[in-house]
Amino acid sequence: DSGVTQTPKHLITATGQRVTLRCSPRSGDLSVYWYQQSLDQGLQFLIQYYNGEERAKGNILERFSAQQFPDLHSELNLSSLELGDSALYFCASSVSDSIWLEQFFGPGTRLTVL
Amino acid sequence: DQQVKQNSPSLSVQEGRISILNCDYTNSMFDYFLWYKKYPAEGPTFLISISSIKDKNEDGRFTVFLNKSAKHLSLHIVPSQPGDSAVYFCAASFYGGATNKLIFGTGTLLAVQP
Repeated sequence: DSGVTQTPKHLITATGQRVTLRCSPRSGDLSVYWYQQSLDQGLQFLIQYYNGEERAKGNILERFSAQQFPDLHSELNLSSLELGDSALYFCASSVSDSIWLEQFFGPGTRLTVL
Repeated sequence: DQQVKQNSPSLSVQEGRISILNCDYTNSMFDYFLWYKKYPAEGPTFLISISSIKDKNEDGRFTVFLNKSAKHLSLHIVPSQPGDSAVYFCAASFYGGATNKLIFGTGTLLAVQP
């Protein structure tokens, strides 16, 4: 158990819909990262927040947005969903904002868009 | 453009033997490399890392080798154990533009046969 929690575990929705994925980092961790893993793909870095502020941006679509709240939990919002958005979405956390340091991953949310 | 490549989707090794997982990269600006291990239905867990100023880092049964001239790194597991069976991701980090970025490979599935 990494100490990072993600809800929900599974999400099934239809094209065009909007969903919100939630992540609670490990106690004491200030950085939260979001990743997408599509079928046969590696982990694609989406975005990083550090202590409530956006710190780094990866290959995140404009239809996707994220935020980190004062209690440090984070939400990833996916809108106008397409079939290709079906993937595993991981959240990770770390103590500092140094992206190359060890990150602790949650178990992921599996999103299926029908 | 896949900047971090793991060309072997899978590898099978006998228990007690050495497992060698390979990773190639294209960007000479990468300055830090990491290996993560992932079991089914779990998030990735950090295994070992290496800075670009080193060519070897060892942690118990796990050793990472870095060959900068060949833009190649490898993870050696000696001796391999059935519990090592998992997907292994290599990742590389660099400071690009105003932010740090972490780029993952597509993973290699290691199966250690008893």
